[in-house]
Amino acid sequence: GQQLNQSPQSMFIQEGEDVSMNCTSSSIFNTWLWYKQDPGEGPVLLIALYKAGELTSNGRLTAQFGITRKDSFLNISASIPSDVGIYFCAPRANFGNEKLTFGTGTRLTIIP
Amino acid sequence: DSGVTQTPKHLITATGQRVTLRCSPRSGDLSVYWYQQSLDQGLQFLIQYYNGEERAKGNILERFSAQQFPDLHSELNLSSLELGDSALYFCASSPSDGLYGYTFGSGTRLTVV
Repeated sequence: GQQLNQSPQSMFIQEGEDVSMNCTSSSIFNTWLWYKQDPGEGPVLLIALYKAGELTSNGRLTAQFGITRKDSFLNISASIPSDVGIYFCAPRANFGNEKLTFGTGTRLTIIP
Repeated sequence: DSGVTQTPKHLITATGQRVTLRCSPRSGDLSVYWYQQSLDQGLQFLIQYYNGEERAKGNILERFSAQQFPDLHSELNLSSLELGDSALYFCASSPSDGLYGYTFGSGTRLTVV
């Protein structure tokens, strides 16, 4: 089966710092989705990538779909307190009735 | 508000009991997905329904079952509950095959004591 590795598992940063996290897989995908889960809430879609090499921004967030189609990264610039939460990657191969499989998550904590 | 409604928000019950979690999908969405998130665990896919029919099964225990009704709301039934079933249970919905991602509800936190 596919192996999906998300790193780092957790990050402790100061407000204003930039953040980078990534997901790698042993399988090829056609879509990479990035979700954020606030404490006590359900995951919310942040960014969707549909093409290898694609670089997409959403405010302070930037995500890229790796050229090999086996990886993706998410960057957050100038972090603010509301960035705290768990970030998940969720790639899709887009075949048949494929369910969304989530990475193990990156827990972001901002140190005062 | 994501448009996906889950009730109840919190549930505390004893081992051996049975509970029902309810989900109303976003208006127009035909697919409903159930996920389990245990402490320090990722999101584990349980089951998917599409327009009333079961479409895909994940790591769902035999003690768990689900259904989707004609009005498209879904229920997840958990029986013979064990301490290890304590978790957050999320429902998500999508228009059809989820190509553009799923919309999640805010979850039901189940505590088994």
